[in-house]
Amino acid sequence: DTGVSQNPRHKITKRGQNVTFRCDPISEHNRLYWYRQTLGQGPEFLTYFQNEAQLEKSRLLSDRFSAERPKGSFSTLEIQRTEQGDSAMYLCASSLGATGGETQYFGPGTRLLVL
Amino acid sequence: EDQVTQSPEALRLQEGESSSLNCSYTVSGLRGLFWYRQDPGKGPEFLFTLYSAGEEKEKERLKATLTKKESFLHITAPKPEDSATYLCAVQSGAGSYQLTFGKGTKLSVIP
Repeated sequence: DTGVSQNPRHKITKRGQNVTFRCDPISEHNRLYWYRQTLGQGPEFLTYFQNEAQLEKSRLLSDRFSAERPKGSFSTLEIQRTEQGDSAMYLCASSLGATGGETQYFGPGTRLLVL
Repeated sequence: EDQVTQSPEALRLQEGESSSLNCSYTVSGLRGLFWYRQDPGKGPEFLFTLYSAGEEKEKERLKATLTKKESFLHITAPKPEDSATYLCAVQSGAGSYQLTFGKGTKLSVIP
């Protein structure tokens, strides 16, 4: 399967703990995105990378959140000192990058539950 | 600020009963409008990209159309396997590549 992959698929943690998620984009895609989705809502943008550069961050991305994409390949999203409000589905997407509109392909997501 | 509103929130159809889902949007210069399908517990699955008013795209029982203010997803003779949440998203031409999504329409097709 050459689609976007995410690990782990599910994570249960206690409030105050740190968690890290991984995303492997479609190979040759140079843009990578993180979104968060809560029940009954559409995905909300968190951050975006072009190659290894983090070019855009949403105001939803508090100081407890950090994302990296070393060498422009896979990406990690870390949440420090988790809170119950962080419980959500975290989605990763990638795109090839082109002028005009571009299509983002999503992974299966990581579902986080903070107890 | 880009905004996307989808209606209805939920739709129940009998198998074979055609209908349309609506996506109204406001955006500062449309770069693209995207339709996705999402099954419970899974990531969104790409369906269509539309770039300009008047454009139409089809795939099996689905047809997407675009005007300057809204997009429609027409479902012809739906089957139970078409049951899912359908998400609409826009990408503006204001220098950002992020997608702004609506809340989705949950479609249930009853045999």
